[in-house]
Amino acid sequence: DQQVKQNSPSLSVQEGRISILNCDYTNSMFDYFLWYKKYPAEGPTFLISISSIKDKNEDGRFTVFLNKSAKHLSLHIVPSQPGDSAVYFCASRGTGNQFYFGTGTSLTVIP
Amino acid sequence: KAGVTQTPRYLIKTRGQQVTLSCSPISGHRSVSWYQQTPGQGLQFLFEYFSETQRNKGNFPGRFSGRQFSNSRSEMNVSTLELGDSALYLCASSDDRGHTGELFFGEGSRLTVL
Repeated sequence: DQQVKQNSPSLSVQEGRISILNCDYTNSMFDYFLWYKKYPAEGPTFLISISSIKDKNEDGRFTVFLNKSAKHLSLHIVPSQPGDSAVYFCASRGTGNQFYFGTGTSLTVIP
Repeated sequence: KAGVTQTPRYLIKTRGQQVTLSCSPISGHRSVSWYQQTPGQGLQFLFEYFSETQRNKGNFPGRFSGRQFSNSRSEMNVSTLELGDSALYLCASSDDRGHTGELFFGEGSRLTVL
């Protein structure tokens, strides 16, 4: 069963507007939540993370929000740029160093 | 600092064969994890090694195995290959499970089983 879900396989946004990518999880024991970005033929690269004790973390144009009661996190990209076009994976860390990944959301930023 | 290196990048095998994939982590990283990526399934956790010991294992059959050497380099092996094993196999390293828990990924090994 999928412990981390990204229900939107794709998202298109105009350049300069906000991109919002969503992720839901089922396990309340996850202690860290991360977002990764992946271009074709490359491995995923780390974007931003948030600890379960926080509800927001910001890094430049990227902000991650965590709603523990809803078991939901989101990634906001403002303003969106064409170079942001990629597949975004959310991930949650469980016991040990085991990470659970969503199935990814393909973001297209239209110039 | 060199990144995570995976070899080979691409390989083609036939059903029933076995395959070994290699991963060199970032210098100083002692944790190495392996993931399988298939279309529609995202990244599925295979196993994690830390200081030559398997610390975690995902829900994959025993045909999937791995090991880690004293220099932290890791290999994974898949025996008796099946068509469904065709996937991108990603290796990731990390320094420890504190901080952000960030994983550093290699570019992957693309396995095609015919």
